[in-house]
Amino acid sequence: NAGVTQTPKFQVLKTGQSMTLQCAQDMNHEYMSWYRQDPGMGLRLIHYSVGAGITDQGEVPNGYNVSRSTTEDFPLRLLSAAPSQTSVYFCASSYDDVSYEQYFGPGTRLTVT
Amino acid sequence: AQTVTQSQPEMSVQEAETVTLSCTYDTSESDYYLFWYKQPPSRQMILVIRQEAYKQQNATENRFSVNFQKAAKSFSLKISDSQLGDAAMYFCAYRGSSNTGKLIFGQGTTLQVKP
Repeated sequence: NAGVTQTPKFQVLKTGQSMTLQCAQDMNHEYMSWYRQDPGMGLRLIHYSVGAGITDQGEVPNGYNVSRSTTEDFPLRLLSAAPSQTSVYFCASSYDDVSYEQYFGPGTRLTVT
Repeated sequence: AQTVTQSQPEMSVQEAETVTLSCTYDTSESDYYLFWYKQPPSRQMILVIRQEAYKQQNATENRFSVNFQKAAKSFSLKISDSQLGDAAMYFCAYRGSSNTGKLIFGQGTTLQVKP
């Protein structure tokens, strides 16, 4: 089991560029989510999915899009990068949306200049 | 809305001694789950321990245990026989039945372990 994988590990973008952060899990988890971590703060939820074809917004969704075409993959798209999106991004998955702990990927450090 | 508060930005402990990290939360739900995650310098988020709110018994995992006080909405983490590898940022997190899976995190506590 690879668990939750994320690519890339590091990325530098210029303001206005777009990119996709990749996330995949091989545990057959229905629930997947994206968080961002900023200094001095805990993780905040960007978007989540309770299954293939179903996504919804979290706490800080502006500037990001997601899709879930398969159970395994949950990519996060930055539409037009802004310096405020400089952060560490974590993808997570869990068996369900309540009782089971979430397993986290290794994170992507994104810098927008 | 639910909130999680960790009031200790930094803590330190001598190797082999015991340390307790504090966490309080606010919720009107009766059914929820609480977690402690460890984030070492590698950045990886690692689950340390999990507590179901309906269970009165405090969860334990080897050297890690919690003191869960449901009425006081308190969920502290005790690390016994601290080791150098315990040095990390620790996050308390809440997940409720009405949150559609969202984990609500505290601000984190940085734990330093002194040899």
